[in-house]
Amino acid sequence: DADVTQTPRNRITKTGKRIMLECSQTKGHDRMYWYRQDPGLGLRLIYYSFDVKDINKGEISDGYSVSRQAQAKFSLSLESAIPNQTALYFCATSDPRLRAGRQETQYFGPGTRLLVL
Amino acid sequence: AQTVTQSQPEMSVQEAETVTLSCTYDTSESDYYLFWYKQPPSRQMILVIRQEAYKQQNATENRFSVNFQKAAKSFSLKISDSQLGDAAMYFCAYRSASTGNQFYFGTGTSLTVIP
Repeated sequence: DADVTQTPRNRITKTGKRIMLECSQTKGHDRMYWYRQDPGLGLRLIYYSFDVKDINKGEISDGYSVSRQAQAKFSLSLESAIPNQTALYFCATSDPRLRAGRQETQYFGPGTRLLVL
Repeated sequence: AQTVTQSQPEMSVQEAETVTLSCTYDTSESDYYLFWYKQPPSRQMILVIRQEAYKQQNATENRFSVNFQKAAKSFSLKISDSQLGDAAMYFCAYRSASTGNQFYFGTGTSLTVIP
């Protein structure tokens, strides 16, 4: 089974709708991240969380909110979706307790493809 | 913010040949980490190789190796004996060792492997 899972894998929604993308991990990592991927722009950080009480904005947080319900769960919400939020969204985890050389590595989920009409 | 540049949007290589993907980055820091991630058509992001900036020795993982030139701020990926399964998007990424936990990704290089 995958260590980092995302649901749904694909989603089509309409402008103005509220949607939630969910991420779960079984790796036991404290740190979790949400990225979006756009063609020609690579991955950009939306939000990240170092633990359930620590949530931080990333490079492009406007229009998004997050919730860290537990160590293993980190949800991304679009309160009122707009077409330019059409993208591929990735959740990732990392663990600073891992031995040197591995603690900085991020482990990614399979991605959620979102289309906003 | 740090920037990571991949100047080759697309590359191709003949099966069994060697290809090098380029990456440069801009930083004023001395301690950091560099990564190459592979994204096949399945969309999964898979770690290929990592390099700690304080290590002079270039990292190697089987057929994958890097040429890390710290002074030039260059971090290229060499794939030897290319296989069809190597076809994917490849992303270079940078992470500071001291300032926060944010990764900075390049825009990617699409690698095609020709049979």
